[in-house]
Amino acid sequence: AQSVTQPDIHITVSEGASLELRCNYSYGATPYLFWYVQSPGQGLQLLLKYFSGDTLVQGIKGFEAEFKRSQSSFNLRKPSVHWSDAAEYFCAVGARWEGGSGGGADGLTFGKGTHLIIQP
Amino acid sequence: KAGVTQTPRYLIKTRGQQVTLSCSPISGHRSVSWYQQTPGQGLQFLFEYFSETQRNKGNFPGRFSGRQFSNSRSEMNVSTLELGDSALYLCASSLRQGADEQYFGPGTRLTVT
Repeated sequence: AQSVTQPDIHITVSEGASLELRCNYSYGATPYLFWYVQSPGQGLQLLLKYFSGDTLVQGIKGFEAEFKRSQSSFNLRKPSVHWSDAAEYFCAVGARWEGGSGGGADGLTFGKGTHLIIQP
Repeated sequence: KAGVTQTPRYLIKTRGQQVTLSCSPISGHRSVSWYQQTPGQGLQFLFEYFSETQRNKGNFPGRFSGRQFSNSRSEMNVSTLELGDSALYLCASSLRQGADEQYFGPGTRLTVT
């Protein structure tokens, strides 16, 4: 079964500083990987995704993530955070489905989330 | 293009009652997935519907059920509510079934008293 670990429950970063949120996954093959962000009282917004190809993926709001197969990691980075980036961040993994019509075999498995606090 | 909509946004029910939540996916999306979010368990996959058929199911009791209509709209039903069912229920839609990029609605906050 697939699983996701986000080791940091809370992270505090000063505005303007760089950010890296860690994500490790467990899956037998190359998975689909996602990062989502959730603001209080809101649903989840997709930041970026990795399906295949270039291991460094760019997302919205200046975020990027790097897939490292050898480390089973998919860490999220941003060079300079803004106060509006304060939110809950979730990493998710999905199983590839070889059925031929695309998509995956199961629903997404999410990590427990990392709460990002921005200091002025 | 309109996003995923969920109704109602907030709901208060009593133990033992049943509840139905509704989700309208993004136009053209045929897959609808449901998730339960609680502070203790985090985000947990409930089930997925694609082309009116349940394709995948998470580890939840049979009190949790759902369906999808021909226009891809989906409903989720919880019978015999328990206090532990209090949660944010999120619906997500995608073009393809399974682990595709999913777009989430704002959720329905269910409180069971």
